[in-house]
Amino acid sequence: DAGVTQTPRHEVAEKGQTIILKCEPVSGHNDLFWYRQTKIQGLELLSYFRSKSLMEDGGAFKDRFKAEMLNSSFSTLKIQPTEPKDSAVYLCASSLGQNERLFFGHGTKLSVL
Amino acid sequence: QQQVRQSPQSLTVWEGETAILNCSYEDSTFDYFPWYWQFPRESPALLIAIRPVSNKKEDGRFTIFFNKREKKLSLHITDSQPGDSATYFCAASQGGRALIFGTGTTVSVSP
Repeated sequence: DAGVTQTPRHEVAEKGQTIILKCEPVSGHNDLFWYRQTKIQGLELLSYFRSKSLMEDGGAFKDRFKAEMLNSSFSTLKIQPTEPKDSAVYLCASSLGQNERLFFGHGTKLSVL
Repeated sequence: QQQVRQSPQSLTVWEGETAILNCSYEDSTFDYFPWYWQFPRESPALLIAIRPVSNKKEDGRFTIFFNKREKKLSLHITDSQPGDSATYFCAASQGGRALIFGTGTTVSVSP
């Protein structure tokens, strides 16, 4: 029974690079979320999809962050161009629907030099 | 501005004591309040959740107390165990929107 799968687990990027993070939600889940986690800010919403449609886009992240859901079983988060302040853990989560338990992936730890 | 606030930032209790974690929120239309916990080097996982129709939700040693009028809730961990040492996140949402998380309370339980 596969949970949420995120790749890669670690990513190191130079400032100004474009990076793409990937997520496969739990099979059958309709909702998919991207969150960024840092010690200071905690968990911040980047994007929220329901049945592949973008429902919410984290306001502070619109300019360089773009999430897409190409099909019901695959999503990407593109950061372009990367900046050192983007260094964080990027978490993907999925759920069956409204107010249902979120299942988180292991996350991608991004370091931008 | 943080819509969901948590206090304290960190908390240390002795094994067997009760740990009390506080959470407050801004938006009175929030209608779902889960708590997630996160162990070191792991991802957050759902611990317990409450909806405003109730003012208390209990699951074993974990109890949520909810005060709608004051827009506050708290998580009580009774008979704390070293295995409860984790970071606890209060979260809130309304109308099916995405969860908004607080910044977390790190709990350490000393044996």
